[in-house]
Amino acid sequence: EADIYQTPRYLVIGTGKKITLECSQTMGHDKMYWYQQDPGMELHLIHYSYGVNSTEKGDLSSESTVSRIRTEHFPLTLESARPSHTSQYLCASTGETQYFGPGTRLLVL
Amino acid sequence: AQSVTQLDSQVPVFEEAPVELRCNYSSSVSVYLFWYVQYPNQGLQLLLKYLSGSTLVKGINGFEAEFNKSQTSFHLRKPSVHISDTAEYFCAVRGITGTYKYIFGTGTRLKVLA
Repeated sequence: EADIYQTPRYLVIGTGKKITLECSQTMGHDKMYWYQQDPGMELHLIHYSYGVNSTEKGDLSSESTVSRIRTEHFPLTLESARPSHTSQYLCASTGETQYFGPGTRLLVL
Repeated sequence: AQSVTQLDSQVPVFEEAPVELRCNYSSSVSVYLFWYVQYPNQGLQLLLKYLSGSTLVKGINGFEAEFNKSQTSFHLRKPSVHISDTAEYFCAVRGITGTYKYIFGTGTRLKVLA
């Protein structure tokens, strides 16, 4: 069982609000990732980190930002949420294998 | 760079029948291969992985996959499916060298019919 957690699991919020999606793992993994996934669709890498103070943008352009101040914590922030941000956001961390959190399903009204 | 192709977007199959979900990949370097399952409103759960050694890999829930280097394939199989196997299945690759980016296929929706 992978020890990777995401909060909140579900979030409904109005346009223009600032939101932070939390992701934490207790496996001591250096490498962490954020994916965006629309229902029934493929995963798109939006951010990744190979360690503390290291963050990179992924293959899909995203208006979100991330930070990596501690190894176990990799939060994703949207400064001003829009309806186009409605999606599922999956956090993952990697040792030998990539493990996923349960996801945050975001709805922006 | 790597790419993954899952040719079947949906696979309907009757309960207790066998199933094969196809995955082909391309890569200029050697790769690790993975299959993940995703149930509704959940994250991805690792089913099995190929890192090295035997090309036939057994995973959880009775699934297995065979790595075929010459055909660049990693098809997932189960001899007898259950209703509870209904889910989305993703094949993924990662280069042994280079970046630690995982490349995912577009997914195959397995629907098991009673």
